[in-house]
Amino acid sequence: DTGVSQNPRHKITKRGQNVTFRCDPISEHNRLYWYRQTLGQGPEFLTYFQNEAQLEKSRLLSDRFSAERPKGSFSTLEIQRTEQGDSAMYLCASSLVGGIDRYYGYTFGSGTRLTVV
Amino acid sequence: AQRVTQPEKLLSVFKGAPVELKCNYSYSGSPELFWYVQYSRQRLQLLLRHISRESIKGFTADLNKGETSFHLKKPFAQEEDSAMYYCALSTLFLMNRDDKIIFGKGTRLHILP
Repeated sequence: DTGVSQNPRHKITKRGQNVTFRCDPISEHNRLYWYRQTLGQGPEFLTYFQNEAQLEKSRLLSDRFSAERPKGSFSTLEIQRTEQGDSAMYLCASSLVGGIDRYYGYTFGSGTRLTVV
Repeated sequence: AQRVTQPEKLLSVFKGAPVELKCNYSYSGSPELFWYVQYSRQRLQLLLRHISRESIKGFTADLNKGETSFHLKKPFAQEEDSAMYYCALSTLFLMNRDDKIIFGKGTRLHILP
């Protein structure tokens, strides 16, 4: 499968612990996005990268959240001091922006389901 | 404010009947609209884009700027169409930095046999 890969698929953690998720985008894609989805809601934007530069962060991304894409390839999303409200599906997506067809749409990964107990 | 509204949480339609999933948006710029679909136990995937003006799996959607709508339609529903459907709006314009997709809350389409 050469699509967007996310690890782990599921994570259960105790409140107060730190967690880190990884996303491997499609290799030719220059943009990488993180979204969060809770029950009954559509995905909500968290942040995105153009290559290794983090260009935008949502207000949903509190100081406990940090995302990196150090070499412009894979990305990590870390949540420090997890809270029960952080329980959600965390989705990663990538896209190729540019060229004649300037926008090719997002390709999503399967997501990481976080449960904070 | 940028917003996508899908008024129906659940839509049940008999097989062979027409389907219309409603979507309205609010955006001051030039919108690009999408429909994403999520089948059971599968990842979210792009169904169609308004600028492509294409028909995918028999589905079409027309952007109506006057009514700020982008309803998804299919003339004859099939059982395999049962899924979660999300209408989405992209803020991307001319490679600018404002690049995010805003999703509606989704409509679950249930095709009855």
